[in-house]
Amino acid sequence: ILNVEQSPQSLHVQEGDSTNFTCSFPSSNFYALHWYRWETAKSPEALFVMTLNGDEKKKGRISATLNTKEGYSYLYIKGSQPEDSATYLCALKGGSNYKLTFGKGTLLTVNP
Amino acid sequence: GAVVSQHPSWVICKSGTSVKIECRSLDFQATTMFWYRQFPKQSLMLMATSNEGSKATYEQGVEKDKFLINHASLTLSTLTVTSAHPEDSSFYICSATGLGQETQYFGPGTRLLVL
Repeated sequence: ILNVEQSPQSLHVQEGDSTNFTCSFPSSNFYALHWYRWETAKSPEALFVMTLNGDEKKKGRISATLNTKEGYSYLYIKGSQPEDSATYLCALKGGSNYKLTFGKGTLLTVNP
Repeated sequence: GAVVSQHPSWVICKSGTSVKIECRSLDFQATTMFWYRQFPKQSLMLMATSNEGSKATYEQGVEKDKFLINHASLTLSTLTVTSAHPEDSSFYICSATGLGQETQYFGPGTRLLVL
């Protein structure tokens, strides 16, 4: 069983602040790391799929980095806006079965 | 693009009845669909994987006779919770991928309450 940990569990920031959170995973048998953004009552939205060690991806004010050797990925949000409030999920594709194993998520609240 | 719908969004049923949940890919052909379950304060847990036209592959601990999955077309998969019991109350969510795609596209989920 793969163990994917996300921290912090929840986070409150003020509008305009930049923030980041972490996804940790076992570094052996890595295949891909997925990030999703999940607003209440909506479908999880795919943000990034990361496969290469040292990879960095960007989508607007959101970016992510990947370190497969030490088993972590960071998600950064620059200049947070209230509409960024959501739960951010990471999911690991790895191990012998190549299925997605999700973390519990980081709940971000951006106060206006 | 890559929109997945799921119906119903919530359902309340009596213990012992069966409930069917539909998952549809609206603008792409979903060769593989996944069904997840999430209990409060827990992560999404994969229940089963289904490929169009094939029998679903269930994760360890998931009863295939209780959670019937059908993936008869490239745009529709259904999950039927048979003889539902209160412990089946949970949030069920599907995802879909097209041929060769890495990203899974999710539906909005179904909240099931069994009384």
